[in-house]
This record gives sequence, structure tokens and C-alpha cells, in this order.
Amino acid sequence: QKEVEQDPGPLSVPEGAIVSLNCTYSNSAFQYFMWYRQYSRKGPELLMYTYSSGNKEDGRFTAQVDKSSKYISLFIRDSQPSDSATYLCAIPLTGGGNKLTFGTGTQLKVEL
Amino acid sequence: GAGVSQSPSNKVTEKGKDVELRCDPISGHTALYWYRQSLGQGLEFLIYFQGNSAPDKSGLPSDRFSAERTGGSVSTLTIQRTQQEDSAVYLCASSPPGGIQYFGAGTRLSVL
Repeated sequence: QKEVEQDPGPLSVPEGAIVSLNCTYSNSAFQYFMWYRQYSRKGPELLMYTYSSGNKEDGRFTAQVDKSSKYISLFIRDSQPSDSATYLCAIPLTGGGNKLTFGTGTQLKVEL
Repeated sequence: GAGVSQSPSNKVTEKGKDVELRCDPISGHTALYWYRQSLGQGLEFLIYFQGNSAPDKSGLPSDRFSAERTGGSVSTLTIQRTQQEDSAVYLCASSPPGGIQYFGAGTRLSVL
């Protein structure tokens, strides 16, 4: 079993839609959670991170963590064509060093 | 300031040849990471350097892979006797200790 599972998509939505991206993880010891965005032929860039269960909001983006279910989500409100990218959930591995384990990424396309 | 720089951006090589991939981290970042991104596999951790400490090589897939970091700055990832399954995008990231990882655009390696 992979440590982080993510539906690869692709996911296609109309402009203005609410997008829900999800990951599950296997290790209850994981402490905090990140979402990266990766545009085509670019490196991933950190979008959001959160330490605790509940919601964290940043503009049109909301990160949600449910530690009891080992489930993390990223919601995008009022999606824009510029949001078209691959979204990766990432979790620092236990054991130190801040090494990240990533989901496979969900490819999102927001259409006009 | 400049971000993480990787070179070359693309590399095509023949099976059995050795390749060297270079990473210039953000100035002042003491931590440097190498990841590999394969189609359908997501990002996989390869190796991690922190300051003058011994590197964490736990993610290297075989002894054909090695990396060094000179003077606490530039890093080179070397793949000896390349195989077709080594074809992937190799990403480098740097961070301050325990901080956010900033990624380069990667080197796209194709082994023919």
C-alpha cells in the first residue's frame, strides 16, 4: 500500500465550478499536510499546508484534513482556466529530514 | 533572487551511458533534495543533504545512482549505465532547515 493515494484524474470542469481534490494516507503518525500545484513542464510549487484537523482557507483555496479518516482535501472555489494544472498532495515522512511523500497528482483542466 | 536552477533541462542518452544532472539551490538554503517523477508514479524521494551531515540516501533505487553536494551548495546526481526505466523527470528542491521546499523545473531524462 502506498503511503499516500490520490485519484490521478484527469478532471475537467467549467470555469466557475467548485473543485474537490482528495487524498488518503495510511500512517496515522503523519503530522502535517501539503498541497502543491504543478504547471506543465514546471516544478511543483507549494500552495497550502496545514498541521491540524479542520479547514484552512486562503483566498479561493481551502485545505481540509480529517485525521480520523486519514483523508485530506483541497477545494477550489470559482475555478479559473489559470487553475489548470496538476495538484499533488504531499506529506513529510516520519523519521526526520522533511522528506516528502507525494500522491500521484490529479490533473485538473478548467474550461472556458 | 533566483530560484532553484537545474541543468540540463532535457537530456537524451543511450542505454548504458552515464549521465550527470546538476542542481543549483537557492542561496542560503542548507537542505537539498532530489526527487524523481515518473509517469503515473508521482514524485519519489531519492536523496537528501542537510548542511555537512551525511546524506540520507534511503530513496536511491540502485547503486547505479549517486549524488554529491560540493561546498554545501551545488549538487550533482549521477546515474551510471542508464536503463530505459530511468527515463523520468528528475527534480531538485532546496529549503532552509525544516522549511518549505522550493523546486526547480527539473531535468527530463530520456534513455533510448
